[in-house]
Amino acid sequence: SQKIEQNSEALNIQEGKTATLTCNYTNYSPAYLQWYRQDPGRGPVFLLLIRENEKEKRKERLKVTFDTTLKQSLFHITASQPADSATYLCALAYSSASKIIFGSGTRLSIRP
Amino acid sequence: KAGVTQTPRYLIKTRGQQVTLSCSPISGHRSVSWYQQTPGQGLQFLFEYFSETQRNKGNFPGRFSGRQFSNSRSEMNVSTLELGDSALYLCASSQNEQGGLAGGEQYFGPGTRLTVT
Repeated sequence: SQKIEQNSEALNIQEGKTATLTCNYTNYSPAYLQWYRQDPGRGPVFLLLIRENEKEKRKERLKVTFDTTLKQSLFHITASQPADSATYLCALAYSSASKIIFGSGTRLSIRP
Repeated sequence: KAGVTQTPRYLIKTRGQQVTLSCSPISGHRSVSWYQQTPGQGLQFLFEYFSETQRNKGNFPGRFSGRQFSNSRSEMNVSTLELGDSALYLCASSQNEQGGLAGGEQYFGPGTRLTVT
């Protein structure tokens, strides 16, 4: 069965540095991949979507890459701020199977 | 526009009972998906409705069911509750005609925290 791994449960970095989160998957490449942010007690908030034929997407301080050879997506937050502290989830969707699978998330903490 | 709303926000039920959760999508959104989130299993897809029809379904037992009304509001029902059904239930709406599974942005509600005792 398809599996998703987000590199670590928690990541702590210094304010101003670039945070890099990893999402690895097995078997088949998804039609597209999404990244969400979730704060405690709240629903996930959509951040970025990247399709299988795209290498990179950017939105303000956020950047997502998608490497179907490595079966990996990287999510970068540049010039990180304490307000960026949250859990970040990646989700893979397979159109043919009408399926969407979420990773377990990485809890990011930005210290001042 | 108002965001996705879910009611109730918190619910405590006893094993064997049934429960109905409600979700109102963002105005104009016709796709509504439901998810279960637990610390152990993470966020898992339950089902998706579009134009009052269930279009996609995850791997959950038949005790979990849903429906969508003509105004796109959706309800989710869980019958014969088990302790393991304790979770945060999230619904998400999408403007994409093909729904969240086909690449559209999904907008999540705050969730309903269900506790089964």
